[in-house]
Amino acid sequence: GDSVTQMEGPVTLSEEAFLTINCTYTATGYPSLFWYVQYPGEGLQLLLKATKADDKGSNKGFEATYRKETTSFHLEKGSVQVSDSAVYFCALTTGFQKLVFGTGTRLLVSP
Amino acid sequence: DTAVSQTPKYLVTQMGNDKSIKCEQNLGHDTMYWYKQDSKKFLKIMFSYNNKELIINETVPNRFSPKSPDKAHLNLHINSLELGDSAVYFCASSPPIQETSSGNTIYFGEGSWLTVV
Repeated sequence: GDSVTQMEGPVTLSEEAFLTINCTYTATGYPSLFWYVQYPGEGLQLLLKATKADDKGSNKGFEATYRKETTSFHLEKGSVQVSDSAVYFCALTTGFQKLVFGTGTRLLVSP
Repeated sequence: DTAVSQTPKYLVTQMGNDKSIKCEQNLGHDTMYWYKQDSKKFLKIMFSYNNKELIINETVPNRFSPKSPDKAHLNLHINSLELGDSAVYFCASSPPIQETSSGNTIYFGEGSWLTVV
């Protein structure tokens, strides 16, 4: 079945450091790929998405590129802030619109 | 205005009780979902409804019964609550399946924190 694998956290960074959170997937067909973010005590928010190979999703300084050849959708940000501390979920959907989530990666940014 | 709203946000109840979580979306979407997030933050789909009809039913105990009175509402009723039901339950919605240009984006509510004691 479809699945998403994320790097285990927590990822601990200092403010202004470069962030990469790895995400790889296994899917039948051609999935759409997503990153969702969950801030402490809050719900899930869509951060960015990409619907086909080589698409780049971007939002709030975060970027991820849909790489079909490596089945990856790594999340990057050039300079993280304390306010970026959250849990980040990589996810995919296929034709049945069923979101399959990775296990989440907690990011902790210190001043 | 909240696009996907669910109530209550917090619920503490005793084992054996029956409780409901309500969800409403004002996005005009046809498809609604319930997801469960466990204590390890793992998220998994429970149910999906399209135009009030059940289309996805993952392996969920039959103590959980979703009800969709109309396409803007999807409520979750849980009978005979158990300790293991403690979790965060997220309602979500998405545009009609044929609108694939949207990339099937699914929009979530803020979650309902259920604690069974």
